[in-house]
Parts: sequence; structure tokens; C-alpha cells
Amino acid sequence: KNQVEQSPQSLIILEGKNCTLQCNYTVSPFSNLRWYKQDTGRGPVSLTIMTFSENTKSNGRYTATLDADTKQSSLHITASQLSDSASYICVVSAGAAGNKLTFGGGTRVLVKP
Amino acid sequence: ETGVTQSPTHLIKTRGQQVTLRCSSQSGHNTVSWYQQALGQGPQFIFQYYREEENGRGNFPPRFSGLQFPNYSSELNVNALELDDSALYLCASSPLGQSFLAKNIQYFGAGTRLSVL
Repeated sequence: KNQVEQSPQSLIILEGKNCTLQCNYTVSPFSNLRWYKQDTGRGPVSLTIMTFSENTKSNGRYTATLDADTKQSSLHITASQLSDSASYICVVSAGAAGNKLTFGGGTRVLVKP
Repeated sequence: ETGVTQSPTHLIKTRGQQVTLRCSSQSGHNTVSWYQQALGQGPQFIFQYYREEENGRGNFPPRFSGLQFPNYSSELNVNALELDDSALYLCASSPLGQSFLAKNIQYFGAGTRLSVL
């Protein structure tokens, strides 16, 4: 069964600090991995997308890594801002067409001043 | 803004009723996916429509059905509503795209919050 597990479930950090979110997956056949940011009451917004051959991808202060051998990914947030408070969801795509998505439960991040 | 709009934003129904949720995809997108997101959890895939035909389905019963229209907008219909159907329903569209990756980046709407009493 395809599964995506994220840790921690929730995280509180002080503004300006860095944090790292983890994602472990058992999805086959792997197509790509994405990180989404979801603000409360809004739909998810794509941050990064990585294929098997990519091991790092940045989007501003967000940097995602992928280790396809260990089936792990991380999302690093640098110099956090209050607007980073949101849920971060790891999504793994399977199949040749990459249209079968498995979502993690998300990590809820709260940035405090 | 993603260009994907969903209506209504909120809806209250009673058990046993039927509901129709609507989604207008971003211009040029030919694929629409629907997800159910329970409070505090990640979205669960319901089904996907590609060029008006179902193109994959998650583990949801037949009372969850859908349609995609020639303009690529879509509807999600749920019959015989149950209390556990209370959730945020998300619609996501994907572009025609020139690359495999572009085709698979999904743009989400803000969702419809359904409450079943």
C-alpha cells in the first residue's frame, strides 16, 4: 500500500529561526515528490516538485531534498517569517503517468514573533 | 491565486441528502482531480477526470460520482450523505503543459467546506 508519513505533526518556531520537516514514503513506482503549503481555509499551493534524478530544489527560503534510495525527503525553511505559519504537505506521485497522488498528513507549522 | 474556483464555499446538509459541488479549472487545463480533506489530515484522492472521462479513482464508494464538461469544468456529486462526509472538498486542475512535470503540477482551489448534520 502506498503511504506517505510526515514528521513532526506540528512545530512551533520563533520568527527568524530555521526548521526542517521530514517526509518518508513507500510509493511504487515512484514518479515525483512535491511539497505543498496550505494556509488555513485555503487550498494547497505547490512549493517544489522533484523527480527521481533530482536531490535538491529551492524556492526562495524553502529548500527540499530527496533521497530516492532511502525514500526520504525534507523541507527546510530558512529565516522563518510569520507568513510561513501553515500546514506543509508532502505528496508523492506514482505510476508512469504520475497521476496517482498519495498525500501525507501534513506538518502544521506555527511561527511566533 | 491559482485560477481554480470552487462553489459554494460553505454548505450545510443533513444526513441522507444529496449534494453537488462545482469547480472551474484554470484556463487551458484539461484534467481535474477531486480530494476530500478531513480536519487535520491530508487530502484523500477521490477521482480524476481527463477530457470528460474518469481517469482514476481512489477508495471511495459509488455514491461519490463526478462529471467533467466540454469546457473542462467539473462537478462532484455525493448521494445519501453520511456524517463522515463532513470535510473540505478540494478540486485541482492540471495544465496541458509541454512537459510531463508541467502537466502534473496541480493547482488547487480554495475548497468547499461541507458539513453534514
